[in-house]
Amino acid sequence: ETGVTQSPTHLIKTRGQQVTLRCSSQSGHNTVSWYQQALGQGPQFIFQYYREEENGRGNFPPRFSGLQFPNYSSELNVNALELDDSALYLCAMRQGGETQYFGPGTRLLVL
Amino acid sequence: DQQVKQNSPSLSVQEGRISILNCDYTNSMFDYFLWYKKYPAEGPTFLISISSIKDKNEDGRFTVFLNKSAKHLSLHIVPSQPGDSAVYFCAASDGNQGAQKLVFGQGTRLTINP
Repeated sequence: ETGVTQSPTHLIKTRGQQVTLRCSSQSGHNTVSWYQQALGQGPQFIFQYYREEENGRGNFPPRFSGLQFPNYSSELNVNALELDDSALYLCAMRQGGETQYFGPGTRLLVL
Repeated sequence: DQQVKQNSPSLSVQEGRISILNCDYTNSMFDYFLWYKKYPAEGPTFLISISSIKDKNEDGRFTVFLNKSAKHLSLHIVPSQPGDSAVYFCAASDGNQGAQKLVFGQGTRLTINP
């Protein structure tokens, strides 16, 4: 039990729509990262937030954006959804240290 | 460019025997390595990690070995149990980047047979 929660657990959207995914922690982890896991692949880093600022980004277009709130919860927003955005979206939190603890993920299906 | 590779998509091991999962990396800047275990419909669960200043780290049934010269790490599980059946991911990070992004391999599906 990592104490990291994500909502919703799954959702279905159509191409062109926008989606917001949420992540929170009971333990006040101050760094949150978001990953996309396509079927049969390992998770791929989208971006990381520390103290409400983005401080690292992977190879994802600007239509992927995020927020971190003062209580360390976070949102991932994806605009203009494409079919290839269908994936499991994972958030991971850490506080100091090197180890990231993952939530259960949100499975997104884009039709 | 796959910087972290797990070349075995699947592995089947008899219960009680040793499971050995392998991982290779190409980026010499990686200085921290982790293994995660993932069940279906759940997020990855942290198992064990190792810093590049060590060559072995042990935690109960799990041992991770790091060979920096070969850019290779392995996870040993002994004895293997049916509950160990899952997909295992190795991951690496480069602390010098500031953002502690993890680079994952593609995963190895481990099946423990009774």
